[in-house]
Amino acid sequence: AQSVAQPEDQVNVAEGNPLTVKCTYSVSGNPYLFWYVQYPNRGLQFLLKYITGDNLVKGSYGFEAEFNKSQTSFHLKKPSALVSDSALYFCAVSPEERSYIPTFGRGTSLIVHP
Amino acid sequence: GAVVSQHPSWVICKSGTSVKIECRSLDFQATTMFWYRQFPKQSLMLMATSNEGSKATYEQGVEKDKFLINHASLTLSTLTVTSAHPEDSSFYICSARRRTSGSPVYNEQFFGPGTRLTVL
Repeated sequence: AQSVAQPEDQVNVAEGNPLTVKCTYSVSGNPYLFWYVQYPNRGLQFLLKYITGDNLVKGSYGFEAEFNKSQTSFHLKKPSALVSDSALYFCAVSPEERSYIPTFGRGTSLIVHP
Repeated sequence: GAVVSQHPSWVICKSGTSVKIECRSLDFQATTMFWYRQFPKQSLMLMATSNEGSKATYEQGVEKDKFLINHASLTLSTLTVTSAHPEDSSFYICSARRRTSGSPVYNEQFFGPGTRLTVL
């Protein structure tokens, strides 16, 4: 069975500093990985995905994520955080064995301080 | 980009009543729609998957008679919470997968803005 772990409930970072939101996964077969962001009382917005190809994936709003097969990780990163990046971030894996229906991590609250 | 709408955005109802939530893909056809439930500060829990013209597939532990799902067209799916109780209060989010050829994993799921249900 597939699973996604986001080990941090909350990440705090100062504006302008780099940020990392961690995600590790477990899946049999190819790991199709996604990151989504959710603002309060809103649905999820797609940030980026890894299907195949380069391990470094660039997405929306300056975010990127690095796929690391040996560490089974897909950490979300941004070189310089903005206060407006404060939100809830979800990592997800979409396994073929589940018809590509995503399984979400529990989410990480990112707080960027001015 | 593709847009998914939900209606209503919030609803308050009395215990024992039924509530219907609509999910529409506004500018694309969705072969598959998904219904999720989200508790405060928690992840999304998949409730069911619905395909146009067929019965929904419910996840384990989700009562199909309580959460009725209808996917009548390629742009509309509805979730009806029947005989709602306070424990059904939650944030319900739908998503739609765009209809294209090829592997579905290459296609994003587009999420609606969610519906906040409060049962008194």
